[in-house]
Amino acid sequence: QVQLQESGPGLVKPSETLSLTCGVSGYSISSGYFWGWIRQPPERGLEWIGHMYHSGSTYYNPSLKSRVTISVDTSKNQFSLKLTSVTAADSAVYYCARAYTSGPLCYFDPWGQGTLVTISS
Amino acid sequence: QSVLTQPPSTSGTPGQRVTISCSGSSSNIGSNYVYWYQQLPGTAPKLLLYNNYQRPSGVPDRFSGSKSGTSASLAISGLRSEDEADYYCAAWDDRLSGHVVFGGGTKLTVL
Repeated sequence: QVQLQESGPGLVKPSETLSLTCGVSGYSISSGYFWGWIRQPPERGLEWIGHMYHSGSTYYNPSLKSRVTISVDTSKNQFSLKLTSVTAADSAVYYCARAYTSGPLCYFDPWGQGTLVTISS
Repeated sequence: QSVLTQPPSTSGTPGQRVTISCSGSSSNIGSNYVYWYQQLPGTAPKLLLYNNYQRPSGVPDRFSGSKSGTSASLAISGLRSEDEADYYCAAWDDRLSGHVVFGGGTKLTVL
């Protein structure tokens, strides 16, 4: 059974870089699939951030693309998110998930439990 | 404002059938599959339906999906108290080199 777990600082200062890691168990990232991030501001809906194939192909939300980097570390079986120049608007629960992507098909399953990141000085 | 449009809320009584709509455009729902996620209070979203109407293992057949043109619907029959949750639709959008779009979510209250 595939399980994902987010980790990282819960508090980040404005203008700094948000960095999160998602550890994967029960499946080897290098075996396939895409791996992605979705966030949810407090009391609001879901926003896709991006996803990446283990060998490097990436897709990013156009509205975040200039600030986002997703990377995969197959040796540690984990993948990471970096979001630069954060503001209060980036405060959210951040979820990692396995992504199934091919042509007209793109969905996320399973998801991690999520981690709350607050942007504040 | 979300690319996919859902009603903010809906409600029903136990045993009733409710539907949640999701409206998009030719670049997303009109040309790609629709997905539905269920988010129970205080938990992470869970895949409820994939490829328009298919149920992952473990999802009761009370949940069904359909798609027509640029709109999709989620139907829940035999409503139960444990169905009270937020429901999100999602799809791939072909514009801007491709990206994922979500609906704004629908809060289902079981009265």
